[in-house]
Amino acid sequence: GQNIDQPTEMTATEGAIVQINCTYQTSGFNGLFWYQQHAGEAPTFLSYNVLDGLEEKGRFSSFLSRSKGYSYLLLKELQMKDSASYLCAVRVVMNTGFQKLVFGTGTRLLVSP
Amino acid sequence: DGGITQSPKYLFRKEGQNVTLSCEQNLNHDAMYWYRQDPGQGLRLIYYSQIVNDFQKGDIAEGYSVSREKKESFPLTVTSAQKNPTAFYLCASAPRGTTGANVLTFGAGSRLTVL
Repeated sequence: GQNIDQPTEMTATEGAIVQINCTYQTSGFNGLFWYQQHAGEAPTFLSYNVLDGLEEKGRFSSFLSRSKGYSYLLLKELQMKDSASYLCAVRVVMNTGFQKLVFGTGTRLLVSP
Repeated sequence: DGGITQSPKYLFRKEGQNVTLSCEQNLNHDAMYWYRQDPGQGLRLIYYSQIVNDFQKGDIAEGYSVSREKKESFPLTVTSAQKNPTAFYLCASAPRGTTGANVLTFGAGSRLTVL
């Protein structure tokens, strides 16, 4: 089966740094994605990792360890607009060759002044 | 601008009624998907289509049906057989041969409430 775990909710202060963890147990791993989703809106792509290591993109960074089945999303210099849900998703390759995204439940981040 | 359009954004339905959610994309993407999102749960795959006139069941297809008669369109029908249809429905698309950082593009979603 496919299983992805991430914390349900986190709080942080404006200007701070927050790390959102994601652990996964999947077969056919072919990359890990992070999406941001504001309430009632569509998820938007943040980052992608397929090899071990850190990918940095502005205030956001994402890390992957395939041997540990672990990723984190690091948000620096938090802003109020960063209050949203952050979805961890693993792309898996099925027996048919089709690839699909399997999503975690999402972590709701609340940034306070 | 290219993108995915879902309609309606909000929909109310009485029990026992079928309802169809529209999804149209002008991104020239081959693959299209329907996901369902419930509070406290991750997005779950309902149906997907890799090419016109072909579609496959996802993880939770019972009570749903789809069609893919045109590349641009992938409507989802929520039938009366779906026991708990109240949810937020997301349509997405992706280019053929999704590899690398090719990602899903999502529509804005349709919120269905069964009264």
